[in-house]
Amino acid sequence: ETGVTQTPRHLVMGMTNKKSLKCEQHLGHNAMYWYKQSAKKPLELMFVYNFKEQTENNSVPSRFSPECPNSSHLFLHLHTLQPEDSALYLCASSQDVGLGYNEQFFGPGTRLTVL
Amino acid sequence: GQNIDQPTEMTATEGAIVQINCTYQTSGFNGLFWYQQHAGEAPTFLSYNVLDGLEEKGRFSSFLSRSKGYSYLLLKELQMKDSASYLCAVRDSNYQLIWGAGTKLIIKP
Repeated sequence: ETGVTQTPRHLVMGMTNKKSLKCEQHLGHNAMYWYKQSAKKPLELMFVYNFKEQTENNSVPSRFSPECPNSSHLFLHLHTLQPEDSALYLCASSQDVGLGYNEQFFGPGTRLTVL
Repeated sequence: GQNIDQPTEMTATEGAIVQINCTYQTSGFNGLFWYQQHAGEAPTFLSYNVLDGLEEKGRFSSFLSRSKGYSYLLLKELQMKDSASYLCAVRDSNYQLIWGAGTKLIIKP
């Protein structure tokens, strides 16, 4: 595997279900991100981890719970979601969160549908 | 508040040149990025500007004017594969990327 991978690619869940999204980066980066992408809206940053420590939580509802066990893996645990949470969830990684190029590399995303 | 503006959609002809504009108002500025996103795929990095001026990379160039809060992405010799959304993002004073909604570029033969 190369780059950033995400599983599953598609997920349909009911509002009472609990599911988890998984992200893995094979780039040796230290920072990982969760974004939400809704149609015709800007990417919304949800969580940032730098060296396994959460550095940002942009007022995300508690029904989304991140976990970063090491610098290569990032999870997003989902429970009691709402239909408006249906979106593409993108994971990204970068060398760290500082200055310079530090471009973010994205995974292919998980298309989530909440019924 | 922080805001990134770019046109929603643009149409251009194969072989032509197109300029996609981006204006921004952010709390601090630590660089501007352009990403390309094909439908159903991940965004991929195109360019980075932190100083005023033009950065050229093959058929793609990106320009920045910090005093005007303005950038553009210039695509030359357009190819059908350039049909995609182009995302402008600014790194703010907290080192977070603030994203525009993207410009969908349609290339016609």
